[in-house]
Amino acid sequence: SMLTQPHSVSESPGKTVTISCARSSGSFASNYVQWHQQRPGSPPTTVMYENHRRPSGVPDRFSGSIDSSSNSASLTISGLKTEDEADYYCQSYDSSNWVFGGGTKLTVL
Amino acid sequence: EVQLVESGGGFIQSGGSLRLSCAASGFSVSTNFMSWVRQAPGKGLEWVSVIYSGGSTYYADSVKGRFTISRDNSKNTLYLQMNSLRVEDTAVYYCVGASSSSWFLRWGQGALVTVSS
Repeated sequence: SMLTQPHSVSESPGKTVTISCARSSGSFASNYVQWHQQRPGSPPTTVMYENHRRPSGVPDRFSGSIDSSSNSASLTISGLKTEDEADYYCQSYDSSNWVFGGGTKLTVL
Repeated sequence: EVQLVESGGGFIQSGGSLRLSCAASGFSVSTNFMSWVRQAPGKGLEWVSVIYSGGSTYYADSVKGRFTISRDNSKNTLYLQMNSLRVEDTAVYYCVGASSSSWFLRWGQGALVTVSS
């Protein structure tokens, strides 16, 4: 199974952006998607897990969803802040193996 | 507080071996599942290996037969034995843990492995 993300997205502060993650086979309904944020020079941190669950400490401006009809997942960030500028990776699993998307660079300008 | 601390990274020549360690605190390596994820310079995240709570282990095709994941429950430590290292194995290696009942992943700070030709 492969996960495909846009290479980059950009949006202005205060706006809303959605990052997509398309799955080539299998489904997110059966195999959850997680989203990980990585700021420059730092390790990743999980900002969404099990499709739509937000860890404590992650602002509610972050939300996650899946679309079974298109076999894709989305991470939506509203009220964009400059601190949201980072790389975002979707991640799921396929039988016993894990798989990551190629990552999306979010620029807030 | 959960902490995952990697060690053992360094500079090694192609064909050599290295063992990474990940000391866990506030988190049990034996009752949860643990993984290694790497990131080559300027590249994205790549899954390497996982060990589940029952002891089953799985590997990415790129490292199968060369890398071995293991754990020492008494030391609450995860390991990655890396043999026959290649230049393309150069990366920061992250220790990642998740509870057996949740896919909320916890990440270590990473350990840099540099393989030279």
